[in-house]
Amino acid sequence: QVHLQESGPRLVKPSETLSLTCTVSGYSISSDYYWGWIRQPPGKGLEWFGSIYHSGNTFYNPSLKSRVTISLDTSKSQFSLKLTYVTAADTAVYYCARLNGDYGGFVDNWGQGTLVTVSS
Amino acid sequence: DIQMTQSPSSLSASVGDRVTITCRASQGISNYLAWYQQKPGKVPKLLIYAASTLQSGVPSRFSGSGSGTDFILTISSLQPEDVATYYCQKYNSAPITFGQGTQLEIK
Repeated sequence: QVHLQESGPRLVKPSETLSLTCTVSGYSISSDYYWGWIRQPPGKGLEWFGSIYHSGNTFYNPSLKSRVTISLDTSKSQFSLKLTYVTAADTAVYYCARLNGDYGGFVDNWGQGTLVTVSS
Repeated sequence: DIQMTQSPSSLSASVGDRVTITCRASQGISNYLAWYQQKPGKVPKLLIYAASTLQSGVPSRFSGSGSGTDFILTISSLQPEDVATYYCQKYNSAPITFGQGTQLEIK
């Protein structure tokens, strides 16, 4: 059974870089799925950041692309998110996810989510 | 980018009612449509993918239909545990986008 767990700082200062890591267990990150990040601001809907395949093929949300980097470390069974120049609008619950399908697909497994607050 | 619009934004129904939620894509997406249920304070849960395929373990009172631009999520007989926000998501191409959500309550 696949399990995803987010880790990283819960508080980030404005203009700094948000960095999160997702550790995957119970499934090989090198197999046939995309891995990605989705966020949900408090009381709001879901926003996809991007998805990465084990080959390194990556798709990003155009609205965030200039600030986002998603990377994969198959040796550690981890993938990561970096979001630069954060503002209060980036305060959200951040989910890592396994995605099924081309371009990322639908989410068939979610991490538990981690609330990241942007504040000085 | 393709926009996903759900309606209604919220609805209230009685236990046992048949409930339908609509999701409309601004361009055709074939059947690349998923539905999720998110209970308050919880992680979203996949209900349906490929517009009409029920995810394993999801109760059969949930069903999905549609293709192209118009999609429907149906709950055949509403149960108290179905109180949640429901999201549609398109995944035919990048960027992946979600509808704004439909909040379902019990009358």
